[in-house]
Amino acid sequence: NAGVMQNPRHLVRRRGQEARLRCSPMKGHSHVYWYRQLPEEGLKFMVYLQKENIIDESGMPKERFSAEFPKEGPSILRIQQVVRGDSAAYFCASSPPVGRASETQYFGPGTRLLVL
Amino acid sequence: GQNIDQPTEMTATEGAIVQINCTYQTSGFNGLFWYQQHAGEAPTFLSYNVLDGLEEKGRFSSFLSRSKGYSYLLLKELQMKDSASYLCAVRDRGYSTLTFGKGTMLLVSP
Repeated sequence: NAGVMQNPRHLVRRRGQEARLRCSPMKGHSHVYWYRQLPEEGLKFMVYLQKENIIDESGMPKERFSAEFPKEGPSILRIQQVVRGDSAAYFCASSPPVGRASETQYFGPGTRLLVL
Repeated sequence: GQNIDQPTEMTATEGAIVQINCTYQTSGFNGLFWYQQHAGEAPTFLSYNVLDGLEEKGRFSSFLSRSKGYSYLLLKELQMKDSASYLCAVRDRGYSTLTFGKGTMLLVSP
């Protein structure tokens, strides 16, 4: 049973370029969450998606950042015109459909973005 | 607003017991989670509490007091591999997102 998959694991971009981060949830999971972790900081929630729907994007910067979770394929976090401050580890987590309150979120290995 | 506090660092000796505390102030409460994160790796789920009391799972136990906004993670028979960051997280509404503390870096020495 494969866990949450993320790719690429490491991504280097120059300022002004676009970064695309991919996340494939665990089998049977239909909820995806994106978090950002800066050095010496905790995980910060960015966006919560279900298939074809954005449920909560309260943690997402208003500009340059967007996320989608299409009917087919992985969830994508897109960062346009990257700046050095976007350098961080981006983690994706998934959870099964709502049903049991104890179901938690399972995290992928993360994508480490470095903006030069 | 949301506020979750936990110590930044702790040290302990192999074979000992350590307690990592977490206090929280959130607009709602629907569960508290503990995760372990080794450097450069994904957080892995350790425990979940939604009712007051102690949940035991092998060498790890987690306690919750909702009236005090307080939880702790207890690690027994410490091993070197337990050296990691321990993250406290609160689910504050519905079945949605988690708010994380900054994590407690635990160093286990021989």
